[in-house]
Amino acid sequence: GENVEQHPSTLSVQEGDSAVIKCTYSDSASNYFPWYKQELGKRPQLIIDIRSNVGEKKDQRIAVTLNKTAKHFSLHITETQPEDSAVYFCAASNFNDYKLSFGAGTTVTVRA
Amino acid sequence: KAGVTQTPRYLIKTRGQQVTLSCSPISGHRSVSWYQQTPGQGLQFLFEYFSETQRNKGNFPGRFSGRQFSNSRSEMNVSTLELGDSALYLCASSWAGVGDTQYFGPGTRLTVL
Repeated sequence: GENVEQHPSTLSVQEGDSAVIKCTYSDSASNYFPWYKQELGKRPQLIIDIRSNVGEKKDQRIAVTLNKTAKHFSLHITETQPEDSAVYFCAASNFNDYKLSFGAGTTVTVRA
Repeated sequence: KAGVTQTPRYLIKTRGQQVTLSCSPISGHRSVSWYQQTPGQGLQFLFEYFSETQRNKGNFPGRFSGRQFSNSRSEMNVSTLELGDSALYLCASSWAGVGDTQYFGPGTRLTVL
């Protein structure tokens, strides 16, 4: 089955700096890659996703890049703010599997 | 539009008991997935239902089962509870499954004593 590895497990950044989280996946058939943000005590929420026919996608301060050849994808957060502090999960899926395989999560702390 | 709801929000059970958790998806969503979240294992896929059919099941023992009703509401059942079943159980709904935005419920926190 699909195996998703996520690094780093923790990330501390100064407010205003950028944060980058990287994930690798094992199943070359995976074609959908969402990112979720989970604040303490809250439910995971989708923040951005990318499909295999696209190399990069941006939404304001958040961007995701995908390298299908290397089987890795990354989340970039620019101009970080205190409200960006949360746990971020990457996930991968093959549409025919009907399931998301999640990375272990990255705890991001934005220092004021 | 109401979000995904889960009941109960908290449960305390003892080893050997069984438990049933409920998930009500967003109106119109026909796919419901279940995940187990623990500090050590992260988010682990349990199963996915679409129009009352289970389309995939994760690597969990047979003590974990689920079903979906004609109104898309879903239940999961865990029999013969073990201490290791203590976790946050999350369900997520979407229109048709993976590839559509998955909306998570608040979860049910299960504690097994």
